[in-house]
Amino acid sequence: QSVLTQPPSVSAAPGQKVTISCSGSSSNIGNNYVSWYQQLPGTAPKLLIYETNKRPSGIPDRFSGSKSGTSATLGITGLQTGDEADYYCGTWDSSLSAHVFGTGTRVTVL
Amino acid sequence: QLQLQESGPGLVKPSGTLSLTCSVSGGSITTSNYYWAWIRQPPGKGLEWIGSIFYSGNTYYNTSLKSRVTIAVDTSKNQFSLKVNSVTAADTAVYYCARHGTHGDYEFWGQGTLVTVTS
Repeated sequence: QSVLTQPPSVSAAPGQKVTISCSGSSSNIGNNYVSWYQQLPGTAPKLLIYETNKRPSGIPDRFSGSKSGTSATLGITGLQTGDEADYYCGTWDSSLSAHVFGTGTRVTVL
Repeated sequence: QLQLQESGPGLVKPSGTLSLTCSVSGGSITTSNYYWAWIRQPPGKGLEWIGSIFYSGNTYYNTSLKSRVTIAVDTSKNQFSLKVNSVTAADTAVYYCARHGTHGDYEFWGQGTLVTVTS
């Protein structure tokens, strides 16, 4: 079981906004950068956010990342059908000395 | 554009050894400040980091797998590899190779390869 907890699913209508939480502790999110990944069905994960709130080249500004204390959040605005995917947070855990990923969240566009 | 490609057997017998290679193209595996990693994903489940290696050969592993895992690098071939010993059905997963930076952001991934442990 992962040390990073995400809601199993979130949903919203096209054009709306969703937020995905990633809850951890001081040994991981609280003191390390967070990254976020989008995994479309049958494909490898794709980096959406790195160093908590930065977007790689080519990632639209509809995707945003933030952190408060031991929780991180991914926001997706202007939801599109192409955003239907699984989303994972990731970070370093200093107690485990390991890279850890969240439990994953399925985004459904209604 | 950097590309990573996993290769290796798709079927492994219980108690056997899983062996995979990741071939890197479009860039050098000796690039500073980047690490090369293996991550796996059991069918229908989440991502699990297995371990990482720097081009110098320095490695660090997930402690839950450390006793069974070896990651090595071959800079002459621009490849790195994974071996998992004493496999069981629980090791059945899609195995990804990837590159990450010092802050653990995985920017480049291979397409993944399914390895099934079955007799």
